[in-house]
Amino acid sequence: GENVEQHPSTLSVQEGDSAVIKCTYSDSASNYFPWYKQELGKGPQLIIDIRSNVGEKKDQRIAVTLNKTAKHFSLHITETQPEDSAVYFCAASHYPPILTFGQGTILTVHP
Amino acid sequence: EPEVTQTPSHQVTQMGQEVILRCVPISNHLYFYWYRQILGQKVEFLVSFYNNEISEKSEIFDDQFSVERPDGSNFTLKIRSTKLEDSAMYFCLHSKPNEKLFFGSGTQLSVL
Repeated sequence: GENVEQHPSTLSVQEGDSAVIKCTYSDSASNYFPWYKQELGKGPQLIIDIRSNVGEKKDQRIAVTLNKTAKHFSLHITETQPEDSAVYFCAASHYPPILTFGQGTILTVHP
Repeated sequence: EPEVTQTPSHQVTQMGQEVILRCVPISNHLYFYWYRQILGQKVEFLVSFYNNEISEKSEIFDDQFSVERPDGSNFTLKIRSTKLEDSAMYFCLHSKPNEKLFFGSGTQLSVL
C-alpha cells in the first residue's frame, strides 16, 4: 500500500519568513495530493490540493509543488504570519480518495 | 468549506464498554469515511461507506468496529468492546462523488 513520509516534524520560523514542508510517497499510482492544516482543538482543514496532471498550484501565500518522477511534493508558505502556526498534514491517494497521511509537521511562526 | 458535526466532542469510557460515535453529514455528500488519530501518530484510515454499504476497510477495522447509517441521516461508528489502544481522535470525513474530502470536527475518545 501507499506510504507517505513527511519532513520536518517540527519547523520554527520568524514572521515574514518562508516555510517549506516536504512529503514523499511510495505508490506511483497515487494521483491526488491534499494538504490539511489542523489548529488546536479543531479538525484538519483542507488548505490546498494538487492532482498529478499539474506540477504546481498556488493560492495566495500558499503553494504546492509536485515532482511525479521523484515521488515527492511540497507545501510552501510565504510571508508567514503567527496565525499560520498549526500542524500541517500531507496526504496521497488515488482519486476518489482513500487518503494516506504523513506524520504531520508542527509549524510555529514567531512574531 | 462545508462543516460536518461530530458528537460527542469528547467521550470517556471504561475498557470493555461499547461506544457510538456520530457524524451528522452534509445532505448531498454521499461518501463517508472514518479515520482516527492516536496521539503523536499518523491519521489512519478505518473505513469508507458509500450508498449505505462499506466500500473499503483497513486492517484496523476488525470485528469490534461497525458502521451504519441507521436513519438515513446520522452516520455512526460503533466500537463494541473498547480497548485502551482505541483511545484516539476519531474523524468523520465526507465528500461528494469525485470531489474533495473534508474533515468533521472530531471526537476525542478516551478509554480508561
